[in-house]
Amino acid sequence: KQEVTQIPAALSVPEGENLVLNCSFTDSAIYNLQWFRQDPGKGLTSLLLIQSSQREQTSGRLNASLDKSSGRSTLYIAASQPGDSATYLCAPSVIRGTSYGKLTFGQGTILTVHP
Amino acid sequence: DGGITQSPKYLFRKEGQNVTLSCEQNLNHDAMYWYRQDPGQGLRLIYYSQIVNDFQKGDIAEGYSVSREKKESFPLTVTSAQKNPTAFYLCASSHRQGPHTEAFFGQGTRLTVV
Repeated sequence: KQEVTQIPAALSVPEGENLVLNCSFTDSAIYNLQWFRQDPGKGLTSLLLIQSSQREQTSGRLNASLDKSSGRSTLYIAASQPGDSATYLCAPSVIRGTSYGKLTFGQGTILTVHP
Repeated sequence: DGGITQSPKYLFRKEGQNVTLSCEQNLNHDAMYWYRQDPGQGLRLIYYSQIVNDFQKGDIAEGYSVSREKKESFPLTVTSAQKNPTAFYLCASSHRQGPHTEAFFGQGTRLTVV
């Protein structure tokens, strides 16, 4: 069964800092891995999708890397802003057996960026 | 606009009642999913469907039921057998799985037992 761990659980930083959010997973048989953002009381917004054959993916100030063999992904946020404050979730999509296509979520990293 | 619509946004259930949460998508996705989110526990999969008229149990299916009669719709019924239904429920959809498949989520329904 896929297990996903996100570190740190919470992070509070001043505006302008570059950030690193970590995600580790136990089953490397994945189609891809998605990073999501969730604002309080809202649904999930997809930020980046990295295919299993890719090493990294970039969107604006966000860069996500994937090391499938070691079961790790990292989300880099450059020049953080107060509007980046949210919970960030990673979710690998497994290939194996009856878990085909399912996303498994970590508990997320709660990010607070203060002015 | 293309997207996933969940309704209602807030729902209150009395003890012993069944309630149904709606999820509709106009993204032409084959697969649809229901997740439950509790504070401090992340998202857990309840049911998923890869194609019309077919669905599979997720990790926490007990006390829930679903149907998939149309590609666009995947309603979730929370039955009286679910002992602790108070939670935030999220619906998602995607194309059938492949390396490029991206999942999209609705805005959620918050269910409270009164």
